[in-house]
Amino acid sequence: GAGVSQSPSNKVTEKGKDVELRCDPISGHTALYWYRQSLGQGLEFLIYFQGNSAPDKSGLPSDRFSAERTGGSVSTLTIQRTQQEDSAVYLCASSQLLLRYEQYFGPGTRLTVT
Amino acid sequence: EDQVTQSPEALRLQEGESSSLNCSYTVSGLRGLFWYRQDPGKGPEFLFTLYSAGEEKEKERLKATLTKKESFLHITAPKPEDSATYLCAAGNTPLVFGKGTRLSVIA
Repeated sequence: GAGVSQSPSNKVTEKGKDVELRCDPISGHTALYWYRQSLGQGLEFLIYFQGNSAPDKSGLPSDRFSAERTGGSVSTLTIQRTQQEDSAVYLCASSQLLLRYEQYFGPGTRLTVT
Repeated sequence: EDQVTQSPEALRLQEGESSSLNCSYTVSGLRGLFWYRQDPGKGPEFLFTLYSAGEEKEKERLKATLTKKESFLHITAPKPEDSATYLCAAGNTPLVFGKGTRLSVIA
């Protein structure tokens, strides 16, 4: 079946602009996760959803970051007033259930803030 | 604080030269130890999940093992196509990822 898809694959934006990143999880997966991967760094957890709710938003780096999930499926990560330090690859993953189940990753969105 | 540490950071092997990658972890309430492979420009690809000490899983030239404090990814007779970054992750929710081991297999 289809895997996790993300769009756009690449995004270049000017400092101060807002961006929206989209994630389509594997059909039937109830849990969805957002991570950020900077060059030479490990995966940094941002937020996860169980269904449409996000029980833990503490991983979001600042209040410029927000995320939502609708219909238990598609999720959008929004970054307002982008800064250069936001440049990274943003990865989305989904899993069948929240606990004890492997996460399947999308190809990521490479964000460059100029 | 949950931590996952991988070693070495980079490993260069000749084709056919077997070796092991290490993942040590200190997490509370371990719900699984996960291994992923990541190729440049792509998202991590799931390899294995280990749930309890003593568990082993194999896939082609890869075998993952788990103890109470660490996991090993053994690579037997590697080929150039095994070159990638190997990530391990452990914990609860959220998972904590290590920084990975960058493996290069030279023909």
